[in-house]
Amino acid sequence: AQSVSQHNHHVILSEAASLELGCNYSYGGTVNLFWYVQYPGQHLQLLLKYFSGDPLVKGIKGFEAEFIKSKFSFNLRKPSVQWSDTAEYFCAVNNNDMRFGAGTRLTVKP
Amino acid sequence: EAEVAQSPRYKITEKSQAVAFWCDPISGHATLYWYRQILGQGPELLVQFQDESVVDDSQLPKDRFSAERLKGVDSTLKIQPAELGDSAMYLCASSLGSTGATFGSGTRLTVV
Repeated sequence: AQSVSQHNHHVILSEAASLELGCNYSYGGTVNLFWYVQYPGQHLQLLLKYFSGDPLVKGIKGFEAEFIKSKFSFNLRKPSVQWSDTAEYFCAVNNNDMRFGAGTRLTVKP
Repeated sequence: EAEVAQSPRYKITEKSQAVAFWCDPISGHATLYWYRQILGQGPELLVQFQDESVVDDSQLPKDRFSAERLKGVDSTLKIQPAELGDSAMYLCASSLGSTGATFGSGTRLTVV
């Protein structure tokens, strides 16, 4: 069955630490890949997206993600997190319809 | 910046009652999605429209849920009868092709 997997349920980091959140998908063929963020009390917002071309994509707020086709992965990274990055992060895959992973809750300690 | 409008923001209903949610997508967005999000989980796709046509409703519990987008613009999601397990956030999103969906603020449903 087609699925989107996010390995980390809850990640706790201190400010200035580096972040990497894993995302794997099981869709075949061409897919469009996304990372969304949901800050406490707010709606889902698009962080970045990958359609084609350079597999390293840069998004808003210093986030980036790398598409590795051979590993069916699209991991999210940020070199130095801030307290304001505390949020829920969702990976999504669009292959005719858009499916989401279960999400990773990031807590950044000041 | 254009937004996806949803109403109501909050809804409390008794089980076995009917409830409806409304969504107005961004103008020109042909694709409209309804998702259900349970606290602590990712959004679960309920139904996807392309204009007025249903593209995917495989996850929609059709015995009690229905969705329509009659003129290919705004959309309504209905639950009848509501059950306790339907308590969740119901999200609407729209997109222009596969460019990434823009989400509304959602409707938080509580069934008592």
